[in-house]
Amino acid sequence: SQQGEEDPQALSIQEGENATMNCSYKTSINNLQWYRQNSGRGLVHLILIRSNEREKHSGRLRVTLDTSKKSSSLLITASRAADTASYFCATQGNTPLVFGKGTRLSVIA
Amino acid sequence: ETGVTQSPTHLIKTRGQQVTLRCSSQSGHNTVSWYQQALGQGPQFIFQYYREEENGRGNFPPRFSGLQFPNYSSELNVNALELDDSALYLCASKKDDRDGGYTFGSGTRLTVV
Repeated sequence: SQQGEEDPQALSIQEGENATMNCSYKTSINNLQWYRQNSGRGLVHLILIRSNEREKHSGRLRVTLDTSKKSSSLLITASRAADTASYFCATQGNTPLVFGKGTRLSVIA
Repeated sequence: ETGVTQSPTHLIKTRGQQVTLRCSSQSGHNTVSWYQQALGQGPQFIFQYYREEENGRGNFPPRFSGLQFPNYSSELNVNALELDDSALYLCASKKDDRDGGYTFGSGTRLTVV
């Protein structure tokens, strides 16, 4: 079963714009992770935020976590065509990773 | 980009057959998980091994089984294949059984006809 739900399901932006994706989940977690997947290939780990953290940065990525609302957001700043991919949030609690259905991001040059 | 290698990359099997998918993890990665990803969906957790012992299982029937070996390789076996088993199968590993990010392989695309 899916734990997280990403929103929107699909997002199309111009190169240089910022992209924001949201994730909601249902149960308590130890951490929340974001992954990227290009064209049905393997997933690449982007960033992990622990349940006692509220915000984390990595390069052009900014992740927030609100455990009271059971939600997280991923912001990609100054997007590039190479950012075109599917983005998944995954929660980790007492079980291994539970993924959402993903957001398909298209960055148009 | 990835230290996790999966084989084969593509596979076509007939309904009712059995299949073995293989994964070679990074040295020192004692935890390996397997996921099934249907087209347009997120990965679904099948099971996880830590130091050759299964320590977690998702909502998959017993015909999905696995093994982890001391050399950081692992297998996913599926018996009595069904058409709905057609999917991308992903292997992921990390160093220990605590929280942390996983390194994924590129997957095996299984088609059951």
